[in-house]
Amino acid sequence: DIQMTQSPSSLSASVGDRVTITCRASQDISNYLAWFQQKPGKAPKSLIYDASNLHSGVPSKFSGSGSGTDFSLTISSLQPEDFATYYCQQYKSYSLTFGGGTKVEIK
Amino acid sequence: EVQLVESGGGLVQPGGSLRLSCAVSGFTFSDHYMDWVRQAPGKGLEWVGRTRNKANSYTTEYAASVKGRFTISRDDSKNSLYLQMNSLKTEDTAVYYCARATSGWPPVIDSWGQGTLVTVSS
Repeated sequence: DIQMTQSPSSLSASVGDRVTITCRASQDISNYLAWFQQKPGKAPKSLIYDASNLHSGVPSKFSGSGSGTDFSLTISSLQPEDFATYYCQQYKSYSLTFGGGTKVEIK
Repeated sequence: EVQLVESGGGLVQPGGSLRLSCAVSGFTFSDHYMDWVRQAPGKGLEWVGRTRNKANSYTTEYAASVKGRFTISRDDSKNSLYLQMNSLKTEDTAVYYCARATSGWPPVIDSWGQGTLVTVSS
């Protein structure tokens, strides 16, 4: 299976900060990379697909980049509603795999 | 509006069986691949498996951790997805989500249900 490693596992940030989360794949996955947001007690929400494309309705403060093995998710100006856990997922292989998650907390 | 509603969760003893359902509405179910994803208490997301659409002969894929014990099926006439779980283990305790993948290529998860809790315990 393709392993997905996210860093950091958690971070503290203030409202208005620019935040970047990274995700590394154990092998080349081209741009077959998605990002999800999950708030406590809620279902995940799909944010980004194909490494950099926003799903419909996702605000433009979210952006994704990368290809091959190294990817990133950036939130341009952190707002209170953005405090959540973020997961990357690869869909290059038939066996999908998620990263371990990055919890974004309020400083 | 796309809706996915899971049901069938509950408490089951180790070695037991349980069948989860996911009722969908708001889209043409037969066009889409569908996934099951689970989340153990306090842990991250784990993909369980996928069923492809009618055009791809409803073929399935499974995570190694559940292969041979879990079976995904669907009934397009009822707009429903199922997860049959046999030989359950305590480590299968989790919230189980059904998720829709886009009808294009490659299929990517774009919608999620609210989840149903499965607890495996004696």
